[in-house]
Amino acid sequence: QVQLQQSGPGLVKPSQTLSLTCAISGDSVSTNSAAWNWIRQSPSRGLEWLGRTYYRSMWYHDYALSVKSRITIKPDTSKNQFSLQLNSVTPEDTAVYYCARGVGSWYWGFEYWGQGTLVSVSS
Amino acid sequence: QSALTQPASVSGSPGQSITISCTGTSSDVGAYDSVSWYQQYPGKAPKLKIYDVSSRPSGISNRFSGSKSGNTASLTISGLQAEDEADYYCSSYTSSSILVFGTGTKVTVL
Repeated sequence: QVQLQQSGPGLVKPSQTLSLTCAISGDSVSTNSAAWNWIRQSPSRGLEWLGRTYYRSMWYHDYALSVKSRITIKPDTSKNQFSLQLNSVTPEDTAVYYCARGVGSWYWGFEYWGQGTLVSVSS
Repeated sequence: QSALTQPASVSGSPGQSITISCTGTSSDVGAYDSVSWYQQYPGKAPKLKIYDVSSRPSGISNRFSGSKSGNTASLTISGLQAEDEADYYCSSYTSSSILVFGTGTKVTVL
């Protein structure tokens, strides 16, 4: 059974960097049969996919256009986890952030989710 | 990229069938078979019910079924039960190489 455990601060100041980590158990971040995603949800923006990383002989990354200039998703094979960094945050980045494992033909079905982390951007 | 359009609410009586629509464009729902459906209870993470238009993950009841016609995907819940009362979201891969979610539908069991 795959489990995803999120960690990271719940409060970030404007203009600073939001950093979250998703620890994986029951699978490997380097697997060839999944993709590892970050998604957020807020009342104003609904559910919003942010990006993903996956390994197919080399590492690949896909990012949402809305955050592409500010986001980095990194795998950490030594700790079997992956992370989210979102730079230059504003109050509009306040949301519940989730990590998720993608399955299906192109790995766009999110079968396993982390517990969610409420991140508030405020001074 | 605009969100996929879902009805704000759908309701039905126990035992009935309901269908939730998810309308996109020829650049997302109409172009790819990467439509998924999620159920979400308040304060909880979404739960995958359908992926790749009509596939069910292991352990998901066959009361949940998915289909697609043109630019519109649909989720049907048959034999409606009280526990099905929740928010439902669709998602689709798009030609911009990103994923877009739907606006969400609140299902009420009368």
